[in-house]
Amino acid sequence: QQQVKQSPQSLIVQKGGISIINCAYENTAFDYFPWYQQFPGKGPALLIAIRPDVSEKKEGRFTISFNKSAKQFSLHIMDSQPGDSATYFCAASADYKLSFGAGTTVTVRA
Amino acid sequence: DTGVSQNPRHKITKRGQNVTFRCDPISEHNRLYWYRQTLGQGPEFLTYFQNEAQLEKSRLLSDRFSAERPKGSFSTLEIQRTEQGDSAMYLCASSPPAGAEQYFGPGTRLTVT
Repeated sequence: QQQVKQSPQSLIVQKGGISIINCAYENTAFDYFPWYQQFPGKGPALLIAIRPDVSEKKEGRFTISFNKSAKQFSLHIMDSQPGDSATYFCAASADYKLSFGAGTTVTVRA
Repeated sequence: DTGVSQNPRHKITKRGQNVTFRCDPISEHNRLYWYRQTLGQGPEFLTYFQNEAQLEKSRLLSDRFSAERPKGSFSTLEIQRTEQGDSAMYLCASSPPAGAEQYFGPGTRLTVT
């Protein structure tokens, strides 16, 4: 049973556009919510993370929005670039173990 | 490079053989994790260590799997009597003391024929 549900499975965005990926969870013990970027054949790379006491966090072109009451969080990639084409995973942690979503493949068209 | 390193990067083995993977965490990171990732899925937690102590094992980790972290430095993951269902990417990650962030290595791709 997947503890973190991620959508959409894939998305295509034009260069300069905004990519939005959504995740939902049920376990209220989760206290840390990171996003990872993964290229084919590589390990996941930590992009940005948030704690549940914060509603939004921005780092460069990447923003996490967090809604604790709805148990949902999302990643916004602003000004999407072809180099952003990758698979993105949301995750949630309780007691140091990460539970990952199924991933979203983002394709940025030039 | 001071990131997490894993060896080998690729391993092809015949069903029934034993395999061992190694992970070297980032220096001074006291927690080390193993995950498994199959094609098209997110990584799944297998086990983790704090220093040399193995603190938790997933139900995914059958009796054929064993992990060690002697002296709290590098870690090894051994799979005995491999099965075709063991084919996956095995990922290692490490965390600093008092930090929740996990940094992943490049993974070891296992193919069981």
